[in-house]
Formats: sequence, C-alpha cells, structure tokens
Amino acid sequence: AQSVTQLGSHVSVSEGALVLLRCNYSSSVPPYLFWYVQYPNQGLQLLLKYTSAATLVKGINGFEAEFKKSETSFHLTKPSAHMSDAAEYFCAVSEGENAGGTSYGKLTFGQGTILTVHP
Amino acid sequence: NAGVTQTPKFRVLKTGQSMTLLCAQDMNHEYMYWYRQDPGMGLRLIHYSVGEGTTAKGEVPDGYNVSRLKKQNFLLGLESAAPSQTSVYFCASSYIFGGVNTGELFFGEGSRLTVL
Repeated sequence: AQSVTQLGSHVSVSEGALVLLRCNYSSSVPPYLFWYVQYPNQGLQLLLKYTSAATLVKGINGFEAEFKKSETSFHLTKPSAHMSDAAEYFCAVSEGENAGGTSYGKLTFGQGTILTVHP
Repeated sequence: NAGVTQTPKFRVLKTGQSMTLLCAQDMNHEYMYWYRQDPGMGLRLIHYSVGEGTTAKGEVPDGYNVSRLKKQNFLLGLESAAPSQTSVYFCASSYIFGGVNTGELFFGEGSRLTVL
C-alpha cells in the first residue's frame, strides 16, 4: 500500500521568495514520485518525477525536488516565486519498477497544496 | 495538439439519471484512467484500463462502470447518479517506455458533474 501526505493545504509567499511545498510518502516498495501542477479550470500537468535515478530532480518552470529516502520525503522547491506559479500542486506516488512493471501507472495523490503568490 | 479530450465539460443531473462521460486520446497511449477530484481529497482513481478491451477497478469504483472498446476511447458511465457523485472527473492516459509504465499521466481538462 502507498500513501502521500502534503503538509499544508495552503501556502502563501511573496513574489521573489522561496517556495517550499512539503510531501511525505509511504510505500512498501521503492517508489516513483511525482509533482503535478493544476492551474484554475485545467487538468493536471507534470512538473517533475523521480524514478530511482538522481535524487535531486529538476523540472519545468525552475522547480526542483529532492528524494530523501531516510525521511520518506519529496519536497518541492523553487528559489524565487513568480506570480504565474500560483496554482494547486499535487504530490503523487506509484510503485516503481521493482514492482515488476505491474503498477500500470496507478498514482496515489496527496490532498493538494494551493500556492498563493503576493506581489 | 488535442492530447486528451473530455466531453461534456459540464453536466447537471437529477438523482437516479444516467449519463456517460467520453474520453478520447490521440497519443496512442496504452493506459487510460478515470479519476475524480473532490476538495481536500486530491484525486482518487475510479477505474483504469491497460489496453483495448480490458478494464479494472481503482480505489473508488462503486456506482461507476467503464468500457474501452477502442484504444483511443475510455468511457465512464453512471447508471443511477447520486449526489455523492457530484465531482470533477478527470481522464488521463499514459505510455510504456522500455516495457514499464512511467507513471507520467496526461490529463484532460476535466468534466464538472453536479447531481441534484
């Protein structure tokens, strides 16, 4: 079984400030981890993913996340927030390749964190 | 650049009515999924399909049925709608790379369903 917990349903930052969105996961097998972003009235789109290669993963729009196995965390960061970053962010986990490729891409999503960026 | 297309985008139903949501993808992806999104609960998997003619239950399948008669289409049906099925429904697809599903999902824009 796998689960995801996102700490903080709402995060507010000033433009230019550091963005930190927290995600902790549990998984019985080595996981694949993802961050997705959802802009208002749109579907989700992939920001970045971890699939057992480098533990520091870089994504689109200047975001990055670090996989820390000892802390079972996959926090999302961006050094300098932009107004266009305002959106809802979802962390997700799936079983990785050690599951024999049978995970079929089934993701378990966290509850989501709404990021607000103030001028 | 259609990607994943969902129809309809909005629908209002009365309790007990039936309806079908259609999802179409033009990326030749093997896997397709239906999720529902509710405030504070993230996305939950309803049903999924690993190929034409095959479907399987996800986390919250009760009250829904699905069919995948063609590789590019995945239909979600509600036989007797209930107010608890008021939600935003998202279809997604994904592909195989190197024999493994990467887990990278491509989402449609959602279908907002209200059941009165």
